[in-house]
Amino acid sequence: QKEVEQDPGPLSVPEGAIVSLNCTYSNSAFQYFMWYRQYSRKGPELLMYTYSSGNKEDGRFTAQVDKSSKYISLFIRDSQPSDSATYLCAMREGSSNTGKLIFGQGTTLQVKP
Amino acid sequence: DADVTQTPRNRITKTGKRIMLECSQTKGHDRMYWYRQDPGLGLRLIYYSFDVKDINKGEISDGYSVSRQAQAKFSLSLESAIPNQTALYFCATSDRWTEQFFGPGTRLTVL
Repeated sequence: QKEVEQDPGPLSVPEGAIVSLNCTYSNSAFQYFMWYRQYSRKGPELLMYTYSSGNKEDGRFTAQVDKSSKYISLFIRDSQPSDSATYLCAMREGSSNTGKLIFGQGTTLQVKP
Repeated sequence: DADVTQTPRNRITKTGKRIMLECSQTKGHDRMYWYRQDPGLGLRLIYYSFDVKDINKGEISDGYSVSRQAQAKFSLSLESAIPNQTALYFCATSDRWTEQFFGPGTRLTVL
């Protein structure tokens, strides 16, 4: 079993829809949770990060962490065609000094005009 | 100019050839990483380095080696390339635990 599981999709939604992207994990030591966005033929770039449990909002994006369920989510409101990309969740242990991240498989999202 | 650059961007080679992928960064970060990305498998860590004297294996280091020539340069070598090393390779840098900044990637095909 992978440490981090993410449905690869693809996920196709109409413009303006609310998108929910999710990851589950098995390592209870994970404390830092990140979402990276990767456009086609580009490297991933950090979209949001959260420490421990709770919600974090940034514009149209909301990241949620539920450590009791070992489940994290990224919500995109009023989705736009420019949001079409692959979204990767990533996590690391709180005690880790290495900065090593464990990535999910990535979910490919297409937002249709 | 890009903060993290990778060369080459695309490479096609034959089984058994030695290949070197290069990464340079201008962010001044100490930490550098090499990942490979395969469809359905996400990003997997090959090697990482905290400074020029510190090299560590990641989860899939077999068949790969690295060299940290300077703080700003981190190279990945495939000593004898094989077809299942066909993948997209990314270099990344970070400052301690903070976000990792990725290069544009190298698409490697081994025939």
